Amino acid sequence: DAGVIQSPRHEVTEMGQEVTLRCKPISGHDYLFWYRQTMMRGLELLIYFNNNVPIDDSGMPEDRFSAKMPNASFSTLKIQPSEPRDSAVYFCASSPSLGLGNTDTQYFGPGTRLTVL
Amino acid sequence: AQSVTQLGSHVSVSEGALVLLRCNYSSSVPPYLFWYVQYPNQGLQLLLKYTTGATLVKGINGFEAEFKKSETSFHLTKPSAHMSDAAEYFCAVTLAGGLTFGKGTHLIIQP
Repeated sequence: DAGVIQSPRHEVTEMGQEVTLRCKPISGHDYLFWYRQTMMRGLELLIYFNNNVPIDDSGMPEDRFSAKMPNASFSTLKIQPSEPRDSAVYFCASSPSLGLGNTDTQYFGPGTRLTVL
Repeated sequence: AQSVTQLGSHVSVSEGALVLLRCNYSSSVPPYLFWYVQYPNQGLQLLLKYTTGATLVKGINGFEAEFKKSETSFHLTKPSAHMSDAAEYFCAVTLAGGLTFGKGTHLIIQP
């Protein structure tokens, strides 16, 4: 298996532009997570999906952020408009389903390094 | 809500010495605990996890951790450090759903 795939690996954009980050989870995994990593705040959960349905989006910082999962093999995280404080590494992770709760391993992608000028 | 505290943002040990990275958690009920490692410019890789059962958990690359409920701790150890262990280590906790991570500990290996 190729693992979790994220694109692009690096993104540089100017303030006010729309940014779309993409993720392909591991085939057969029912859970998909988006995390953000910054020096100041560390690793934070933004949102996660179960069977393509958003379960918890309480970590999404503002209305400028939105995430979708149109099917089991694809998810996007969109920032519109982008701001310099959105600069971070964004990770996508996926996990298989174990029924109640989610105690199984989350497999992380390589991340997208976003720089907003 | 749960939280994780990692003591020491940087830990330096000599090659061949014991590695000890500290993690304490706060949770209203017994959580599930994880240690992940991150190498430069890469994603996170699972080292080991505790869900239920045996409190001493063995992971990859010779690492192990012991869940101590009375101390609310889940410290990571390795008997003998190798240069390839130099990386960022994250302790994480979950009750269900997403992971809550500690701030991370940067492990430096001195030759």
